[in-house]
Amino acid sequence: DTGVSQDPRHKITKRGQNVTFRCDPISEHNRLYWYRQTLGQGPEFLTYFQNEAQLEKSRLLSDRFSAERPKGSFSTLEIQRTEQGDSAMYLCASSFSHAGDQPQHFGDGTRLSIL
Amino acid sequence: GENVEQHPSTLSVQEGDSAVIKCTYSDSASNYFPWYKQELGKGPQLIIDIRSNVGEKKDQRIAVTLNKTAKHFSLHITETQPEDSAVYFCAASETSYDKVIFGPGTSLSVIP
Repeated sequence: DTGVSQDPRHKITKRGQNVTFRCDPISEHNRLYWYRQTLGQGPEFLTYFQNEAQLEKSRLLSDRFSAERPKGSFSTLEIQRTEQGDSAMYLCASSFSHAGDQPQHFGDGTRLSIL
Repeated sequence: GENVEQHPSTLSVQEGDSAVIKCTYSDSASNYFPWYKQELGKGPQLIIDIRSNVGEKKDQRIAVTLNKTAKHFSLHITETQPEDSAVYFCAASETSYDKVIFGPGTSLSVIP
C-alpha cells in the first residue's frame, strides 16, 4: 500500500493527558498537511510542511499543539494537556508541489476521543 | 480568509437518477476546486477537480462546472448507484498544494 498511512487509527485518553499521532506520507511527496475534522463537518486546516519546514499554521493550532517533520518524511502531531474539545478526527494529507498541479491525498485519520 | 458554502446538506435520490451539489466560495484568489468523497471511517478521497481556467470537466458519470465570475461551482453525478452513497465535500484552494478550505459536506443517499 503506497497511500498515506496514519497511526494509531483510534486513540482514547483521559483529559489532561498528552497524545502523539504519526503520519507517513506518500513516498517522495514533499508537502504534508494536517487537518482536523469534527463530526458532521468538513476538514479544517491545521498546518503544513514543505520538506522539514513548517510553512503555515492555522489559528486553530493552539500552543498545546505541536507538529514536526524532522527529516522531511514522516510527521508527528502532539497535543499536550488534552481537552474535551480536542475530540475529533485528525487527518493527514500529502502532495507534491513540483511538476504541475498534484492533488492532496488523504490518510484514513486518527480518531481521538477524550474521556 | 476563504469561506466555502455547500448545499444541500443532505440529498436522497433514487438509483439511476442524477444528483447535484452546489457550492460557493468567497476568495477570488482561489483557483483550484477539488471534490472529495468520504465514506464512513475513511479519509476523504479525491473524485474530480477543476481549475479556474476551465469551465467544465467530466469524468465518466461525474461532471463539475465552475463559474468564476459568480464564485459558484457544482458537482453532477449521473446514473447514481448505491455505492455513490457517501458524504461529498467541495473545497477551494489557491493551488492544489496550498491549504484546502472545505465546505460542510453533503450526505448523499442513493436508494436502490
